[in-house]
Amino acid sequence: KNEVEQSPQNLTAQEGEFITINCSYSVGISALHWLQQHPGGGIVSLFMLSSGKKKHGRLIATINIQEKHSSLHITASHPRDSAVYICAVNQGGKLIFGQGTELSVKP
Amino acid sequence: NAGVTQTPKFRVLKTGQSMTLLCAQDMNHEYMYWYRQDPGMGLRLIHYSVGEGTTAKGEVPDGYNVSRLKKQNFLLGLESAAPSQTSVYFCASSTYSRSSYNEQFFGPGTRLTVL
Repeated sequence: KNEVEQSPQNLTAQEGEFITINCSYSVGISALHWLQQHPGGGIVSLFMLSSGKKKHGRLIATINIQEKHSSLHITASHPRDSAVYICAVNQGGKLIFGQGTELSVKP
Repeated sequence: NAGVTQTPKFRVLKTGQSMTLLCAQDMNHEYMYWYRQDPGMGLRLIHYSVGEGTTAKGEVPDGYNVSRLKKQNFLLGLESAAPSQTSVYFCASSTYSRSSYNEQFFGPGTRLTVL
């Protein structure tokens, strides 16, 4: 069993829909990261959080440390949100990655 | 600032050939990392460095060597390439923090094919 599990693995949505991607982990962590990887490969950090909730534009990330679970929400989704979203947990300064969720938003 | 850069962007090798991937960062970061990304497997840590002159093994170090002679550069070497090393390689860097809440900044990746 992977230490970091994401669901769903693939997601297709219509433009404007509210999207949720889930991440569960089984190890002790100091922080959790959400990353975005666009077609073409570049990886950028969206959020780093250790408790509660963070918001940036239409993106919201939450974490429940007791339940070892985090969610990434996208409100009013847009085709430019199409990408792979990756959850990673920080354990001792090193990241352990989930397999990623491939999101496609159709116009 | 260029951030994290990787050289080359693409490379095709024959089995048994050697090569070095170069990662450079201009953010004065202490920590640097090499990952490989394979379909269905997510990113996996190959080697990492917590400072100039130091390196350590990650999750999948076999077949790779690294060096950190200068703080801004982290080199990944393949001495004798194998088809199993066909992958996309990412370098990343981060600051040092006791809390370990370190955001990592990624390079654009190197797509390596070993025939």
